[in-house]
Amino acid sequence: QQQVKQSPQSLIVQKGGIPIINCAYENTAFDYFPWYQQFPGKGPALLIAIRPDVSEKKEGRFTISFNKSAKQFSLHIMDSQPGDSATYFCAASRSTGTYKYIFGTGTRLKVLA
Amino acid sequence: ETGVTQTPRHLVMGMTNKKSLKCEQHLGHNAMYWYKQSAKKPLELMFVYSLEERVENNSVPSRFSPECPNSSHLFLHLHTLQPEDSALYLCASSQDGGYEQFFGPGTRLTVL
Repeated sequence: QQQVKQSPQSLIVQKGGIPIINCAYENTAFDYFPWYQQFPGKGPALLIAIRPDVSEKKEGRFTISFNKSAKQFSLHIMDSQPGDSATYFCAASRSTGTYKYIFGTGTRLKVLA
Repeated sequence: ETGVTQTPRHLVMGMTNKKSLKCEQHLGHNAMYWYKQSAKKPLELMFVYSLEERVENNSVPSRFSPECPNSSHLFLHLHTLQPEDSALYLCASSQDGGYEQFFGPGTRLTVL
């Protein structure tokens, strides 16, 4: 019930492509879903997040799509660039008190020039 | 210094050694976290401190001992570790009730 399943494990796209990373959760009590981006040698950094009262959220080239009934959410990167090459983690949490994230296993994205 | 800093960045220790990892946050937050990051595994939440009180301990072995002397500093004391404890240990902070966690760069630990 506490797992967040993330796929694919790795992804290679050409510059300008639209990589899509998918996550699924089990615990219906989760109500906050962030995506973190991690570059080598750095800690993860918040990229974008969504709550289940909306089905989509866009910030720049990054879009989260959320399907509450299927308990799934995904990250789309529009017009991907080589600088987007990083590891992406989805997470889920309850938005009460101290947020305790359950993270997915991560997706290593490589964008070819 | 800005954000969340961690020292040392790399640590190699034997199974009988005792060492400590240090984390400092310069963001005025009141909650701090230790995570373990292993290859091909999700980030594992180890400990959570809120207002310097430990509020979460996710069944972490007693060979890991956290300490939070004030809201800006967090330590992870290590003793008699096992080779499977080799990983990247990440510290994070947040404002209690706030959603964004800010991570440090991590300490890469190798246990021989």
